[in-house]
Amino acid sequence: SQQGEEDPQALSIQEGENATMNCSYKTSINNLQWYRQNSGRGLVHLILIRSNEREKHSGRLRVTLDTSKKSSSLLITASRAADTASYFCATPNDYKLSFGAGTTVTVRA
Amino acid sequence: NAGVTQTPKFRVLKTGQSMTLLCAQDMNHEYMYWYRQDPGMGLRLIHYSVGEGTTAKGEVPDGYNVSRLKKQNFLLGLESAAPSQTSVYFCASRPALAGELFFGEGSRLTVL
Repeated sequence: SQQGEEDPQALSIQEGENATMNCSYKTSINNLQWYRQNSGRGLVHLILIRSNEREKHSGRLRVTLDTSKKSSSLLITASRAADTASYFCATPNDYKLSFGAGTTVTVRA
Repeated sequence: NAGVTQTPKFRVLKTGQSMTLLCAQDMNHEYMYWYRQDPGMGLRLIHYSVGEGTTAKGEVPDGYNVSRLKKQNFLLGLESAAPSQTSVYFCASRPALAGELFFGEGSRLTVL
């Protein structure tokens, strides 16, 4: 069963706008990761946030983690056409990493 | 440095045929994984390996077998393919002490 679930399933925004997507998970974790997948390609790791961190930045990406609510958010600021992709949150479970179904983001020119 | 390489990239099988997907990584990673990705279902873990000679079942292991005879290679086998195994298969690897997964580009399998 999937540990994380992203919301919304799909998002369409104008270039230059911000995109926010959320991830909820079920059990305690020591970190949470976000990945991007361009159409027809493999997943690429974006950012990892540890359970003792509340917020983390990487370029135009901002990730938050609220362990009390078992939720995380990924914000992409000043979106570009190249940000069009599917975004997945992933949570570790022993040696394994469980992925949600993803949020598909479309950035319109 | 090629990272994670999957072969073949595309394959069409008839029901009942067998095949093997090969995953090779050149990063000396200890852990390797096979996932399948179906529309609307994200990635589901089939099997994984935490070291040479060891394998373990994931979330959806039925109908698949794996082997890790060499540290750099992780093979996924389908002994008798079924249409339900039509999917995109992804291999991934990571070091033992790091969380980030490195993915291959995927292998698209169609079973008729």
